[in-house]
Amino acid sequence: QQPVQSPQAVILREGEDAVINCSSSKALYSVHWYRQKHGEAPVFLMILLKGGEQKGHEKISASFNEKKQQSSLYLTASQLSYSGTYFCGTEGIGDDKIIFGKGTRLHILP
Amino acid sequence: ETGVTQSPTHLIKTRGQQVTLRCSSQSGHNTVSWYQQALGQGPQFIFQYYREEENGRGNFPPRFSGLQFPNYSSELNVNALELDDSALYLCASSPDSSPLLSEQYFGPGTRLTVT
Repeated sequence: QQPVQSPQAVILREGEDAVINCSSSKALYSVHWYRQKHGEAPVFLMILLKGGEQKGHEKISASFNEKKQQSSLYLTASQLSYSGTYFCGTEGIGDDKIIFGKGTRLHILP
Repeated sequence: ETGVTQSPTHLIKTRGQQVTLRCSSQSGHNTVSWYQQALGQGPQFIFQYYREEENGRGNFPPRFSGLQFPNYSSELNVNALELDDSALYLCASSPDSSPLLSEQYFGPGTRLTVT
């Protein structure tokens, strides 16, 4: 079951904040966040694990609500370099693979 | 430390043909995963190899097969190409035997077009 991301797209001005949400219908073991710029490879942002452990870049903030099978990625004081498509990937409990959502396109205006 | 590299960058094939895509993992990484990314979609998991053994597979038919070599480089083979196989194929390596618990380093991808 592919996770659902919202919003599908968002346009911000530099310095504004954004929240990207990821929701699954399955009980999750982990949530993974990646950013992909046009024509480039996805780049790792963060992993959030059931139980509260997180691994990721210091400047990235995210949450994982295990009961609701939801995760949110928080982008504060956005910079031009934040532009790109953000993908969440979910691992269901008992699964051995990550299923990615369709992505959220983020465009930052100067 | 070199990153993940893939070859070729672009490829055009005819329906029914076979194709081999190659991936060189980041130094020290023993796990590689392959993904198919259609335009405007997220990456779809094809399969994963850990120390030369297949370690997980997504919902792709058997005509998608792979190999991982002792130096941890990898190949993705697709037989009997179909038009829907047109996509960006990404490989990703990770340093852990449990890549689901660690970050994956993606290569730049191979853009396959099937006509």
